[in-house]
Amino acid sequence: QSALTQPASVSGSPGQSITISCTGTSSDVGGSNYVSWYQQHPDKAPKVMIYDVSNRPSGVSDRFSGSKSGNTASLTISGLQAEDEADYYCSSYTSGSTLLVFGGGTKLAVL
Amino acid sequence: QVQLVESGGGVVQPGRSLRLSCAASGFSFTSHAMHWVRQAPGKGLEWVAVIWSSGNNKYNSDAGRGRFTISRDNSKNTLYLQMNSLRAEDTAVYYCARVASGTYYFDYWGQGTLVTVSS
Repeated sequence: QSALTQPASVSGSPGQSITISCTGTSSDVGGSNYVSWYQQHPDKAPKVMIYDVSNRPSGVSDRFSGSKSGNTASLTISGLQAEDEADYYCSSYTSGSTLLVFGGGTKLAVL
Repeated sequence: QVQLVESGGGVVQPGRSLRLSCAASGFSFTSHAMHWVRQAPGKGLEWVAVIWSSGNNKYNSDAGRGRFTISRDNSKNTLYLQMNSLRAEDTAVYYCARVASGTYYFDYWGQGTLVTVSS
């Protein structure tokens, strides 16, 4: 069981917007500004899409945005494109017994 | 450009040991904390261990504590993961990853090396 809870799957049509949630506790997501989101295509290494809750690395499309409210962080992808189809993972710094925790991952299907 | 290249994976019997390496290039290795993250086949990402830039401070996840040792050789720009008493559940792709300075996100990842624990 992962420390952070994500929906197993989400789907959307091209051009639509979707949001993936990531729920933790006050020891991780709720108490940390170090929440990040990663995109992973099959057989590829993960790629950071959002860091520090809502910051976007250079080169990442502005269609990707992040936010946080309480113990839940969210990744929103607007204007869905076929190449957005991938697995998405959230991660947070934690003050618990482990330094970093990941969510279980969400498979995004672009229908 | 930043490159992280893992090696050392393979098939190993339960209870045996394996050492993974991660050769870094294209950046100041001594300026960054480095991590190991693993991914079991068809499963999600799992954080394994961190070692800070000087090598003096390190931390493990619960899964590897007491069995896995992270280390680094700053003179060789290389990160290591010594894994002892391996179990079937340690079967995974092991990634080394660089943390961006001053924060806790991974800005560069290696391509991963597969460790299979099986008799």
